[in-house]
Amino acid sequence: GAVVSQHPSRVICKSGTSVKIECRSLDFQATTMFWYRQFPKQSLMLMATSNEGSKATYEQGVEKDKFLINHASLTLSTLTVTSAHPEDSSFYICSAVGPGDNNSPLHFGNGTRLTVT
Amino acid sequence: DAKTTQPNSMESNEEEPVHLPCNHSTISGTDYIHWYRQLPSQGPEYVIHGLTSNVNNRMASLAIAEDRKSSTLILHRATLRDAAVYYCILKSNSGYALNFGKGTSLLVTP
Repeated sequence: GAVVSQHPSRVICKSGTSVKIECRSLDFQATTMFWYRQFPKQSLMLMATSNEGSKATYEQGVEKDKFLINHASLTLSTLTVTSAHPEDSSFYICSAVGPGDNNSPLHFGNGTRLTVT
Repeated sequence: DAKTTQPNSMESNEEEPVHLPCNHSTISGTDYIHWYRQLPSQGPEYVIHGLTSNVNNRMASLAIAEDRKSSTLILHRATLRDAAVYYCILKSNSGYALNFGKGTSLLVTP
């Protein structure tokens, strides 16, 4: 089945630094990728949608200058958390879908646990 | 997207069937019903989806009410590895994004 790989699985960084998270579709071309954030004991919250080669669309309340998304190829999207603060500590999850009918299942990565100290 | 309502938690014994309910009384005619599950510290995993007819796959069955205002995910024989949060999500025809609710936390006991 379709595989989405996310890297790193865990990262600890100091407040004020930036962290890049990669999301790769390993065996299909991901025309659209999504980034979610999940705080402990809560559900996933959609942060942004990115289509290959175009600017990401951010959900209301998500700062686009803080969470930089690049979807430069059909197999790779990156999320950069800039000037991270402790409140950015969360579980970040990407998902991807290939071309086709828009009721195709989404394929999710295994998440990146970010801890900002 | 229309909302879904699920019980916060359910408990099952291992090797017994589990019926996970979902209410979606405001579903529109073109909304698909998707189910995903999330094991601890992992990303969600697709389980099944349907529109009007009941659906079966190797993981589960999906029973959809005739008026489509509710559905039930059926795990035929629960195993310990089925302990997860199960999300019932309505997926509109426009766009690919899924909006997750709180889901049902399933506990499976030996």
